[in-house]
Amino acid sequence: ETGVTQSPTHLIKTRGQQVTLRCSSQSGHNTVSWYQQALGQGPQFIFQYYREEENGRGNFPPRFSGLQFPNYSSELNVNALELDDSALYLCASSLAAAPQETQYFGPGTRLLVL
Amino acid sequence: GENVEQHPSTLSVQEGDSAVIKCTYSDSASNYFPWYKQELGKRPQLIIDIRSNVGEKKDQRIAVTLNKTAKHFSLHITETQPEDSAVYFCAASIDNNDMRFGAGTRLTVKP
Repeated sequence: ETGVTQSPTHLIKTRGQQVTLRCSSQSGHNTVSWYQQALGQGPQFIFQYYREEENGRGNFPPRFSGLQFPNYSSELNVNALELDDSALYLCASSLAAAPQETQYFGPGTRLLVL
Repeated sequence: GENVEQHPSTLSVQEGDSAVIKCTYSDSASNYFPWYKQELGKRPQLIIDIRSNVGEKKDQRIAVTLNKTAKHFSLHITETQPEDSAVYFCAASIDNNDMRFGAGTRLTVKP
């Protein structure tokens, strides 16, 4: 298993609420990427943080936001939850500098929006 | 942006046979192509990756080939075993950012 951890493991929210998901990166990694994985689909890139700055963003609305802390752990915040936000949320950590580009995934947080 | 297509969506093979999964990508600037294996309820795990300056890479029973001109790459698993059964995802990115995944291939290895 990788050294990437996520919390919580499961979460149930209702429409309109806000949620914060957390990710601790593997030791020595300074880059965290977040993905949304709907059931039966591949992960979809939300955004990436490198040294506390957003370093790239996928096709997700502004209500998806994030933070990276000085210890390189990261948070994903989702406001005004919608039913379609129900998914597995994965974070992956990596060293930005090539060739150590491998992204190591955490176990994910399964979010259910009712 | 990058678009990754993966085929087939399901693949069933007999134990000991080979399995091949193919992916195409759209952005010629993509330079990093990992393959992940995801078992039910678990995190994606990297099984092999290839960079654009290499045409082929092998690790025991697993190999990946990359054709930059045609913008496609393939995963080859030889001597398949029941524990190879899982969903496999290909992905493509530029410098490890904005990684785009294929829709996945469910591989079943029948004993």
